[in-house]
Parts: sequence; structure tokens; C-alpha cells
Amino acid sequence: DQQVKQNSPSLSVQEGRISILNCDYTNSMFDYFLWYKKYPAEGPTFLISISSIKDKNEDGRFTVFLNKSAKHLSLHIVPSQPGDSAVYFCAASQYNNNDMRFGAGTRLTVKP
Amino acid sequence: DAGITQSPRHKVTETGTPVTLRCHQTENHRYMYWYRQDPGHGLRLIHYSYGVKDTDKGEVSDGYSVSRSKTEDFLLTLESATSSQTSVYFCAISPAGGGSGNTIYFGEGSWLTVV
Repeated sequence: DQQVKQNSPSLSVQEGRISILNCDYTNSMFDYFLWYKKYPAEGPTFLISISSIKDKNEDGRFTVFLNKSAKHLSLHIVPSQPGDSAVYFCAASQYNNNDMRFGAGTRLTVKP
Repeated sequence: DAGITQSPRHKVTETGTPVTLRCHQTENHRYMYWYRQDPGHGLRLIHYSYGVKDTDKGEVSDGYSVSRSKTEDFLLTLESATSSQTSVYFCAISPAGGGSGNTIYFGEGSWLTVV
């Protein structure tokens, strides 16, 4: 029962352009959504999050958009840099529940 | 770094043998987690702990047990390892739990191969 889905296993973009990573979820009880970034041989690190009461959250080059009616969120990276090349995991959590659910991840490659 | 040490970092073991992975934290966080990462599945919660001797099951707990006798240590045991338990195992910690968007911090992972 995969409640969080990232349907694109990989994405390749040119340096300086926008990267858009997508995530869909099925559980309407999720009230918070997070993005984690993972480099090879390292653990995931927190990138940005958004509450379900908001539709946008921005942090520097990273913006997350939430469309609750479509149960869809996206992460925009502008401008993309080679150092952004990593696997990005979408995650979702709900109040008082420690079982945070993760998507399968999208491998982003930013070409110089 | 979040002050998390996992050991061993790499292990190859035979089917049917017991295996214990250790997670040690220096942050004094209340919550500790064990996740596994597999291709096509992302990260899935195995077990978590919300205090010393307080643990609960996650999404994929079958075949695993955990123990937490001290705040800083969380052990994951595979009583009789199977090939399906070949995976990368991540320990994670959090001061406030993983619900409602509270951030959890991951260790660097333990690569386990069961042959």
C-alpha cells in the first residue's frame, strides 16, 4: 500500500534551468509533507516541508507547492546546480503518527 | 551531522544467522527509528522507539525485533536473516516524533547482504 508515489524514477536537467519533482499521495489524513535529499552512501537530509494548510513554501532556490484537491505536491529548484544532483524523497506525515511515509525517490541529475 | 552512528556500516551474513545492527545517538532525542531502503519502495519504517523500553511496530516489522535499554542506543535484530532482508538500513532520530512535519534526522546507513 504505497500511500506516497513518485512516478518519475529519474530526471535530467541543464544547469541553470528549473527542476520540477513531482509527488502524489492517496491518504487524505496526511497533514504535513516533506522533501528529503540523499547523496550516495549518505543518509537522507531534510530539505523543505509544507503544512497542509498552505499551498506554497519557499526556501531560497527551493519551493514546494501543494495541491490538496489533486493530492499532489511538487518541488521546484531554481536555478538548478550540479550539486543538486541527488535522489529526492517525498514524505508525508500525519498528526500523532510516527509512521512517516516515503515515496520511492526521484534521481535528479543536473548537467553542467 | 545529527550525531548518529550506525554499526556495522557493511555486513555480509548467511541465511538463517542472527544479525544485530546498532544505532547510537549523542543528541539525547526521545524518538529513534529504523528504516529500510529498497529500490522501488523508498524508505519504509520497521520499528520505532518513543523512550527507553518503549517501542512500536512500523509498516514492515515482520522478521525484526528491536530493543532500547538506554536513551542513546537502539538495536535492530534479525533473528534469522533471509535474503529478502538484504537492504540498506537507516537509523533516524527526532526530538518530537515524526508526526505533523517534525523533522527526523538520519544516520549514514548500514548495508546488509544476506547470502
